[in-house]
Amino acid sequence: DTGVSQNPRHKITKRGQNVTFRCDPISEHNRLYWYRQTLGQGPEFLTYFQNEAQLEKSRLLSDRFSAERPKGSFSTLEIQRTEQGDSAMYLCASSSPIRDEQYFGPGTRLTVT
Amino acid sequence: QKEVEQDPGPLSVPEGAIVSLNCTYSNSAFQYFMWYRQYSRKGPELLMYTYSSGNKEDGRFTAQVDKSSKYISLFIRDSQPSDSATYLCAMRVADTGRRALTFGSGTRLQVQP
Repeated sequence: DTGVSQNPRHKITKRGQNVTFRCDPISEHNRLYWYRQTLGQGPEFLTYFQNEAQLEKSRLLSDRFSAERPKGSFSTLEIQRTEQGDSAMYLCASSSPIRDEQYFGPGTRLTVT
Repeated sequence: QKEVEQDPGPLSVPEGAIVSLNCTYSNSAFQYFMWYRQYSRKGPELLMYTYSSGNKEDGRFTAQVDKSSKYISLFIRDSQPSDSATYLCAMRVADTGRRALTFGSGTRLQVQP
């Protein structure tokens, strides 16, 4: 069990560019979550998948954000037309069908210049 | 007013001290409670998970939940310099269709050798 992995670990982009992050959950975890964390704050929920179905979305997930989990395994989070306010750590977590605990990955740190 | 309030610290204690970390919450629908530890520029690491009022112990850590007062605590015994990190409380409602965690803003702990 290698834990939740996220790529890239760091991303620097210019305002207006699109970026995509990838999350690979713990194997056999069917639930996958995306959170965003800014400096000095706790993580804020963005969205949640059970298998390939996106079941819950936060109002923070504006129309510039889209998440997919096409085969119920890895997930991608895309931000279109990035803004400086999108600079944050993007965290992915997963949980198993039996237990409720969410286990987090190392995060992708996004800097929008 | 935030749903979950947590003193940001920093909390500085000498090695070997007992540490008490606390969160209050306003939403009585929260039924599941977690504590995470987060080192700088890393993802949160799950320490404790509980869903009932009372105490739960795991090694040097004890989680306490008082639902009547909407108050949760994490106690760390025999604190070590390696415990220096930010501690985040998190909670979620009992609705199985809603799995978003709501986090406090974190308390930064420094254990002095």
